[in-house]
Amino acid sequence: EAGVAQSPRYKIIEKRQSVAFWCNPISGHATLYWYQQILGQGPKLLIQFQNNGVVDDSQLPKDRFSAERLKGVDSTLKIQPAKLEDSAVYLCASSLRIGPPADTQYFGPGTRLTVL
Amino acid sequence: AQTVTQSQPEMSVQEAETVTLSCTYDTSESDYYLFWYKQPPSRQMILVIRQEAYKQQNATENRFSVNFQKAAKSFSLKISDSQLGDAAMYFCAYKTFGNEKLTFGTGTRLTIIP
Repeated sequence: EAGVAQSPRYKIIEKRQSVAFWCNPISGHATLYWYQQILGQGPKLLIQFQNNGVVDDSQLPKDRFSAERLKGVDSTLKIQPAKLEDSAVYLCASSLRIGPPADTQYFGPGTRLTVL
Repeated sequence: AQTVTQSQPEMSVQEAETVTLSCTYDTSESDYYLFWYKQPPSRQMILVIRQEAYKQQNATENRFSVNFQKAAKSFSLKISDSQLGDAAMYFCAYKTFGNEKLTFGTGTRLTIIP
């Protein structure tokens, strides 16, 4: 079974530029998550989708971050414009559905973003 | 708000020995789940073990076991017969029943000494 795929693995941009990350969850997984992991910290949830709908985006900085999940499969996370403090690893995860026992989250390899 | 605390930024253990990683959490909920995730240098978070708060029996997965003390809000991970491949960052995480959001601690970096 293929895991969660993310691209790119690394991205370096100047502040005020835009950047987008892509995630392809495990086939059949209805729930998709984007986490931000700043160096030295644990991941923090940015947004959660259930199929195409947003379940929780309370910690997404909506003035600069946006995310979508078209057709309930792939998802993109965009930052526009980027700030220095956005330097982090962006992790995508998916789970079969909400609620145990199928709620285990499987993570992708992440995208390391450096903002100069 | 729920918080997860890992007080050991770094730990090391000799290969084949046993090591215990500590985690405490703060919550007012009675139904919740606790997890240990491993993050090797590849950055991919891998689930090691999970514990449901309503279960009194401690979870075990091969060489990995937990000591879950609900009253003390403590959830430690014991790794037996440590192997070189166990070297990674270990994150403790919490999730409320009915809410899929995982709250992570700051992690413990585990080094295995050959």
